[in-house]
Amino acid sequence: AQKITQTQPGMFVQEKEAVTLDCTYDTSDQSYGLFWYKQPSSGEMIFLIYQGSYDEQNATEGRYSLNFQKARKSANLVISASQLGDSAMYFCAMREQKAAGNKLTFGGGTRVLVKP
Amino acid sequence: DTEVTQTPKHLVMGMTNKKSLKCEQHMGHRAMYWYKQKAKKPPELMFVYSYEKLSINESVPSRFSPECPNSSLLNLHLHALQPEDSALYLCASSQELWGSYNSPLHFGNGTRLTVT
Repeated sequence: AQKITQTQPGMFVQEKEAVTLDCTYDTSDQSYGLFWYKQPSSGEMIFLIYQGSYDEQNATEGRYSLNFQKARKSANLVISASQLGDSAMYFCAMREQKAAGNKLTFGGGTRVLVKP
Repeated sequence: DTEVTQTPKHLVMGMTNKKSLKCEQHMGHRAMYWYKQKAKKPPELMFVYSYEKLSINESVPSRFSPECPNSSLLNLHLHALQPEDSALYLCASSQELWGSYNSPLHFGNGTRLTVT
């Protein structure tokens, strides 16, 4: 079964507007971390923002914020005031507290294209 | 600038060649990772080294051979690859493999490998 689900394969957003990228996850662990990464066409994987399972407040990093709803097992990324440079692939990912190691598992990704 | 450096950026090799991918980090991280990413797909974990010892091998074919000479360096030796092995190979590092579900992986820019 998919541990991380991103239901939006692609999205268009107008420059300067906000966009929300959906992410739902599946885990039976109490301790886990949720991450968002940005991957431009150049290929590098850029860490954007982190939310811990015990964090009661939603994480924010500049124009990025994470809408964390633990009961619904969702961790949506909000990008405010979109810029042309935000056009990229965005991946939601999770690290679980496992005896075999805290591996990072990715969702399928959402491609965002910002229109001028 | 990325703190994880990968070389080369691009590599074209024949099926009978032997080549190596290199990765270096100077963040004092004790866990290092190799991921493989096919086009329009999320990264898939291949290997993890923790404290210079191979800790996770995700059933990767033996034509891929990882090596961790020291805590800052990670290599991936390639031999007798197939065209379907063409992909983006990403190296990453994190503080620890265990007890660290709340810390991100930091990725390099990747090596785009083409097998002819």
